[in-house]
Amino acid sequence: DVKVTQSSRYLVKRTGEKVFLECVQDMDHENMFWYRQDPGLGLRLIYFSYDVKMKEKGDIPEGYSVSREKKERFSLILESASTNQTSMYLCASSSPNSLGQFFGPGTRLTVL
Amino acid sequence: QKEVEQNSGPLSVPEGAIASLNCTYSDRGSQSFFWYRQYSGKSPELIMFIYSNGDKEDGRFTAQLNKASQYVSLLIRDSQPSDSATYLCAVNPTGTASKLTFGTGTRLQVTL
Repeated sequence: DVKVTQSSRYLVKRTGEKVFLECVQDMDHENMFWYRQDPGLGLRLIYFSYDVKMKEKGDIPEGYSVSREKKERFSLILESASTNQTSMYLCASSSPNSLGQFFGPGTRLTVL
Repeated sequence: QKEVEQNSGPLSVPEGAIASLNCTYSDRGSQSFFWYRQYSGKSPELIMFIYSNGDKEDGRFTAQLNKASQYVSLLIRDSQPSDSATYLCAVNPTGTASKLTFGTGTRLQVTL
């Protein structure tokens, strides 16, 4: 079974803090994705990566950056957290055969 | 026009009935289609994928695809209270490799 893990289930941070969200997958997938999910807005793609050290902007990259130094790990960074970044953050991975994306358990981030 | 559209629901069906969930998409060149189930507070879980026109069955679930009408549906036979969740339709648009565009989901309630 594909396993995608995320570093925290719940996180509370203060405005202006730098926040790191970590994601690790154990299926040797090339593709990794970061989404945020908000009520009424659905899943929105923040950044994705098709290979180590490679990243591409998704639909809502503003205020975020990413890092992929190893194939199994994809990190999302909030350089200066703001209250409008309070959300559920979901990491996913997939193979190039595109048999769907597999999601981690999510991190519910609250920025106060 | 949204790229992937779903009725938000809730769709209420009695236990044992067939639940029919529908999804339309705008990109005529889309090749891959996925259904995810998401329980409240949890992350999406892949339950079905379909690439070819027609029906694909997996246990109590049947995915139906009609590319001419740009329509994909999910039928759940013998609905159980444990099927109560939000169902997300996802589409792999043309030329986007492994990226997926998600609908906002249909909430299904299976009543006793």
